[in-house]
Amino acid sequence: IVMTQSPATLSASPGERATLSCRASQSVSINLAWYQQKPGQAPRLLISGASTRATGIPARFSGSGSGTEFTLTISSLQSEDFAVYYCQQYNSWPPWTFGQGTKVEIK
Amino acid sequence: EVQLVQSGAEVRKPGESLKISCKGSGYSFTTYWIGWVRQMPGKGLEWMGVIYPGDSDTRYSPSFQGQVTISADKSLSTAFLQWSGLKASDTAMYYCARQVGVASGPFDYWGQGTLVTVSS
Repeated sequence: IVMTQSPATLSASPGERATLSCRASQSVSINLAWYQQKPGQAPRLLISGASTRATGIPARFSGSGSGTEFTLTISSLQSEDFAVYYCQQYNSWPPWTFGQGTKVEIK
Repeated sequence: EVQLVQSGAEVRKPGESLKISCKGSGYSFTTYWIGWVRQMPGKGLEWMGVIYPGDSDTRYSPSFQGQVTISADKSLSTAFLQWSGLKASDTAMYYCARQVGVASGPFDYWGQGTLVTVSS
């Protein structure tokens, strides 16, 4: 299964809403996760099951979608949210494929 | 507290062998899949494979099958990733991570990463 994320780069200002997309080449049901990775750090799980926030993840992060189309929304960007975001499907393996990432940068 | 602690950075020459490790603590090591993820310099995440330490059941991505070996020693609560003949293209950061769920799931805890540099 190929996961395609868009856009590759999203430029936004603090306080703005950010919408990231992830598309699967075939249905993955809701077996979709989102991760955040900051420079020099390991990825961090944000969302699993397409819409369930992981422990300790702020409510400004929300996920939606099912089948082949998914969205990660950050309702109001904070300075610490500027990072790279990856989606990952875990419906059909091997492998559990990642998308190529969306970089959220400060405008 | 769940922790995955990886071995330190390594520098090797092409053709050499290498084994890196990932030690789990704070949870039942034998009842969660442990996976390995490659990140080449400036690139994205690539799922390499996973192992279930309870019975050593191992699954590989087709891209990595035959290129690396994943193993685990449950007595040490440690998973391993090894190469028998490194290439310059193996230069990357390698992360281990714990998979949520018995059958399938995302990675909920990650190690700090091991940087592998292969250069003559």
